[in-house]
Amino acid sequence: DTGVSQNPRHKITKRGQNVTFRCDPISEHNRLYWYRQTLGQGPEFLTYFQNEAQLEKSRLLSDRFSAERPKGSFSTLEIQRTEQGDSAMYLCASSLEGLRVTDTQYFGPGTRLTVL
Amino acid sequence: AQSVAQPEDQVNVAEGNPLTVKCTYSVSGNPYLFWYVQYPNRGLQFLLKYITGDNLVKGSYGFEAEFNKSQTSFHLKKPSALVSDSALYFCAVSPLLNQAGTALIFGKGTTLSVSS
Repeated sequence: DTGVSQNPRHKITKRGQNVTFRCDPISEHNRLYWYRQTLGQGPEFLTYFQNEAQLEKSRLLSDRFSAERPKGSFSTLEIQRTEQGDSAMYLCASSLEGLRVTDTQYFGPGTRLTVL
Repeated sequence: AQSVAQPEDQVNVAEGNPLTVKCTYSVSGNPYLFWYVQYPNRGLQFLLKYITGDNLVKGSYGFEAEFNKSQTSFHLKKPSALVSDSALYFCAVSPLLNQAGTALIFGKGTTLSVSS
């Protein structure tokens, strides 16, 4: 169990550029979540996947944001036409869902995005 | 609206003294409750969770939390604080069998500072 990994750890981009982040969950975890954390706030839910199916998207996930989990393993989060307000820490988490509705979500180290 | 409140932005305690970090929630149903800790430039680490059963839950690093349904609270406690406990602590809830999914709702976080 190597934990949840995220790449890159830091990303600096100019306004209007597109960025893509990657998350590798704990192996065999079937659920994968994306959260956004801004300074002084707790993480806010963006979206989650059950295997390769995207089951829920928050209203925070504007049409500039898209997430995929093509083979039910790693996931990517893309932000198009970045804005300064997109600057935040983007956190990925994974969990193993079985008979219980909710199990523990384990978080990766995050990708810090700075939009200039 | 569903929410989590951590009424204290910062808690200061001396090493060796007991500590309490407060959390109250407003969620319909019977939620699952979690505590996470975040160290600088790192992701969230899971401490403990309450699903059902005994109201006193024991977790990692000597932490425990007490669930109080009538007061809708889930306070984090430790009998004897260590300097290494200094970090940012988040309370989170996940509504049970919520059709919207199992996204965690986080509080804003409480900074714990333990002095030697």
